[in-house]
Amino acid sequence: EDQVTQSPEALRLQEGESSSLNCSYTVSGLRGLFWYRQDPGKGPEFLFTLYSAGEEKEKERLKATLTKKESFLHITAPKPEDSATYLCAVVDGGSQGNLIFGKGTKLSVKP
Amino acid sequence: DVKVTQSSRYLVKRTGEKVFLECVQDMDHENMFWYRQDPGLGLRLIYFSYDVKMKEKGDIPEGYSVSREKKERFSLILESASTNQTSMYLCASSLIRTAQPQHFGDGTRLSIL
Repeated sequence: EDQVTQSPEALRLQEGESSSLNCSYTVSGLRGLFWYRQDPGKGPEFLFTLYSAGEEKEKERLKATLTKKESFLHITAPKPEDSATYLCAVVDGGSQGNLIFGKGTKLSVKP
Repeated sequence: DVKVTQSSRYLVKRTGEKVFLECVQDMDHENMFWYRQDPGLGLRLIYFSYDVKMKEKGDIPEGYSVSREKKERFSLILESASTNQTSMYLCASSLIRTAQPQHFGDGTRLSIL
């Protein structure tokens, strides 16, 4: 069964303290992995798509990387406005575009 | 930018009522999805559609139905609302090509009293 597991469930950082969020997946034939940011009371906002092992994408303080078994979202020198829940998802191999989501990592950045 | 619009941000209904949640996307996407999101359970797929008048059950379809009469509009219907359907409901859309991201609306926080 295809699965996505995110860790940790919650992460508290001080402003400027870099760290990484993990997304491990089991899927036969990865067709795409997505990262989203979700603020409280709002829908997930798309951040990145990764397609193959070794690929990296960057946006401001965020950098997403991909291996054959997992993806990392690296946050460099975070600011309080980076506080949010970060979701990871992979394409469901048997579908035309359905995604399997992890349960997310709730990031809190304190000033 | 993709725009997915859900008709209500907050909705309060009574048990037994028939409830309609509307979703409209403006990017000519073929795929549309309805999820519910609950603390500790993550996003769960209720129904999805790959084309007009087409619908498929997701992981938790019981108590729900959907309608897709036009490509841009996907409606979720709670046939007879119950308190365990109190939740955040999220609509998403995507292109039908392989490995395209889904784009989400801002959600409807539904309370059933």
